[in-house]
Amino acid sequence: ETVMTQSPATLSVSPGEGATLSCRASQSINNNLAWYQQKPGQAPRLLIYGASTRATGVPARFSGSGSGTEFTLTITSLQSEDFAVYFCQGYQKWLWTFGQGTKVEIK
Amino acid sequence: QVQLVESGGGVVQPGGSLRLSCAASGFTFSSYAMHWVRQAPGKGLEWVAYIQWSGEYKFYADSVKGRFTISRDNLKNTVYLQMNSLRPDDTAVYYCAKVVPGDPPQPFDQWGQGTLVTVSS
Repeated sequence: ETVMTQSPATLSVSPGEGATLSCRASQSINNNLAWYQQKPGQAPRLLIYGASTRATGVPARFSGSGSGTEFTLTITSLQSEDFAVYFCQGYQKWLWTFGQGTKVEIK
Repeated sequence: QVQLVESGGGVVQPGGSLRLSCAASGFTFSSYAMHWVRQAPGKGLEWVAYIQWSGEYKFYADSVKGRFTISRDNLKNTVYLQMNSLRPDDTAVYYCAKVVPGDPPQPFDQWGQGTLVTVSS
């Protein structure tokens, strides 16, 4: 089973600044990596899949990179609506595994 | 637009059973694999179960294997999760989710609003 590890657990950022979130897989998952955003009381929202493809309607300030075991979600110039919890997800046949989440909070 | 609406959650005693439903609309349901994902209160996301578009192939997380059964009715555009032998650690919000179009495996591009299952005596 592939274990997904996210860091840091919490990231304190001022509005307008950038943020970099990391996700590591315990074994190679090629580019089968997705990022989700979740706000309190809401379902998760897909941001990035295939490690770097933005989902429909996702602003260009969100970008993903990486392959194999190391992945990054970069958010440039954080807006107020970007403060949330972010989960990475590795997906392989036939297992879908989430990281524990990174909370991006207002500094 | 795509809509996924879960129902069937509630309070159940340990050892009891519950069946969740997820009614889909706004897309060709019979063409897409579907999943169930859960989130315990204040915790992260846990994938629970997968069902292929035809219902032929199903996969489960180890934590629910042998206790939960996923199924679907493509005529009713609905996916189900039958949960038996429920335990307190099954307490969570349960979401159904649709996959991104493409060859499997794919992540989840649409989610329902979730239904809360509480296992407690």
